[in-house]
Amino acid sequence: NAGVTQTPKFQVLKTGQSMTLQCAQDMNHEYMSWYRQDPGMGLRLIHYSVGAGITDQGEVPNGYNVSRSTTEDFPLRLLSAAPSQTSVYFCASSSPHRGSYEQYFGPGTRLTVT
Amino acid sequence: AQKVTQAQTEISVVEKEDVTLDCVYETRDTTYYLFWYKQPPSGELVFLIRRNSFDEQNEISGRYSWNFQKSTSSFNFTITASQVVDSAVYFCALSEATSGSRLTFGEGTQLTVNP
Repeated sequence: NAGVTQTPKFQVLKTGQSMTLQCAQDMNHEYMSWYRQDPGMGLRLIHYSVGAGITDQGEVPNGYNVSRSTTEDFPLRLLSAAPSQTSVYFCASSSPHRGSYEQYFGPGTRLTVT
Repeated sequence: AQKVTQAQTEISVVEKEDVTLDCVYETRDTTYYLFWYKQPPSGELVFLIRRNSFDEQNEISGRYSWNFQKSTSSFNFTITASQVVDSAVYFCALSEATSGSRLTFGEGTQLTVNP
């Protein structure tokens, strides 16, 4: 299993540009999530999905869109990038394990918006 | 709302010292799960432990141990005989049973182990 994969690993955007961060998992997990990591703030949930066709907002959803057309993929779209979206983005997938959901994280995408 | 606080922003120790990383949480749920993750300089997130709210037994794994105390809403992490390879950012996280897989993270503690 490749686990959770993310592409690209690094990206530089200009303000106003759009792009999609890709996330895929091959563990047949129902749950997938996107987090952003900023210095001194830990990881914060952007959007999450409990299954194909179902998505919901997390703590910091503004400026991001998601969709979940398949179990495997959960892309994150930035419609009009802003410098405040400079961050490291982590995708995670999970499945119930003895009642809890152990998250498997991807390697992250480092995004810089100039 | 759930909240996780890691009051120690940075800790610096000398190799072979023991070090404890503090984690305090807030939740209204009676069923919840607590996690610790390690983020080494390479940037990936490494799962260390999961603990559910009904299991207050302390756990030891090699040089790592965890002390879960519901009475003080704390889930502290101790590294015994620290090594340079333990240098990393450590995150404590909480998931409520009603929130499914959504994790709330603390701010993280940067641990530096000097030779």
